[in-house]
Amino acid sequence: QKEVEQNSGPLSVPEGAIASLNCTYSDRGSQSFFWYRQYSGKSPELIMSIYSNGDKEDGRFTAQLNKASQYVSLLIRDSQPSDSATYLCAVKPGGGADGLTFGKGTHLIIQP
Amino acid sequence: GAVVSQHPSWVICKSGTSVKIECRSLDFQATTMFWYRQFPKQSLMLMATSNEGSKATYEQGVEKDKFLINHASLTLSTLTVTSAHPEDSSFYICSASAGGYEQYFGPGTRLTVT
Repeated sequence: QKEVEQNSGPLSVPEGAIASLNCTYSDRGSQSFFWYRQYSGKSPELIMSIYSNGDKEDGRFTAQLNKASQYVSLLIRDSQPSDSATYLCAVKPGGGADGLTFGKGTHLIIQP
Repeated sequence: GAVVSQHPSWVICKSGTSVKIECRSLDFQATTMFWYRQFPKQSLMLMATSNEGSKATYEQGVEKDKFLINHASLTLSTLTVTSAHPEDSSFYICSASAGGYEQYFGPGTRLTVT
């Protein structure tokens, strides 16, 4: 059974610091990896996608992928109180016809 | 771009009745649509995948006769919860793909069965 594991938290980070979120997955054949942000009562919002090993940066966000270790991470620089949310790691085996397998999410709290 | 809508945003129904939820891609053609369910403090779980004009593919443990999915066009998929029971109360979220790797999520529908 395909699994995506995340530390549920809460992870508390001071405003302005770097928040580091981690995720491991069990399906070695997975090809696509995503980080979503979900505010309470709302649907997920795509933050980052990554498909190859290494780092991918977009503004304050950096996604890191290590397929050999089956590990994905998300770094949030200069954390803001508005970044407080649950961050979901999602994995997809391949192309557009495949659904996503989500982790349970990490609850991030940015302390002003 | 890549906007997905859902209707209704919330619904309350009585046990034993059926409820239909619509998912629309507003500015792109969705070759594939997905339906997820999220219980409180749980993550999203994929229920089914549907392609336009084809029968939906259901995940293991999801009753296809209870959760009827119709992907009538490249911009519309519907989920009908038949004979709803209180344990079906959940947050139902659809997503749509134009064939690429990314999925675009709708705002979700909160179903409460009394």
